[in-house]
Amino acid sequence: RKEVEQDPGPFNVPEGATVAFNCTYSNSASQSFFWYRQDCRKEPKLLMSVYSSGNEDGRFTAQLNRASQYISLLIRDSKLSDSATYLCVVTNFGNEKLTFGTGTRLTIIP
Amino acid sequence: NAGVTQTPKFQVLKTGQSMTLQCAQDMNHNSMYWYRQDPGMGLRLIYYSASEGTTDKGEVPNGYNVSRLNKREFSLRLESAAPSQTSVYFCASSNNLAGVGGDTQYFGPGTRLTVL
Repeated sequence: RKEVEQDPGPFNVPEGATVAFNCTYSNSASQSFFWYRQDCRKEPKLLMSVYSSGNEDGRFTAQLNRASQYISLLIRDSKLSDSATYLCVVTNFGNEKLTFGTGTRLTIIP
Repeated sequence: NAGVTQTPKFQVLKTGQSMTLQCAQDMNHNSMYWYRQDPGMGLRLIYYSASEGTTDKGEVPNGYNVSRLNKREFSLRLESAAPSQTSVYFCASSNNLAGVGGDTQYFGPGTRLTVL
């Protein structure tokens, strides 16, 4: 089983819709969680960290479910500029290394 | 601040040739990383350097060597390139404190390498 698993998509969503995707992780000792965004042929960039209590940044909401070992990303009122690949990232306490999922591709349709 | 810079942006090699990918960061970060990204495989860690003077193997180190030249610079060398090393290579840095980890990583723009 992969350490971090994501549905690769693609998710094709009309502009203005709400879309959500999950990511599961296998190591129960995982400590830190992130969502990165990667545009086509560009480098990954941090979208948001994921905290135990959940966190929101504008139209984006991230949640962590430790019991079921998954994190989620919800995008409300989606924009064309949200089209990208979203990477789930996990790390363990005391470990400088990040483990990346293969990404979920999202396309927002006008 | 330029952030993380990488050279070259593109490179084509023949099998057996060698080359060095250069990476530099101007954010005074402790940790630096080299990844490769292949379709359907996601980002895989090749080597990392938790602090100046240290390097460690990641998930896929075979065929590569690294040098942490100073706090700013971390280079990746392919001694004898193989077609299986055709990939996009990303350098990253973060301000991880040793033993804590989990800090944001900042990526360079990538090097697209083709080995014929």
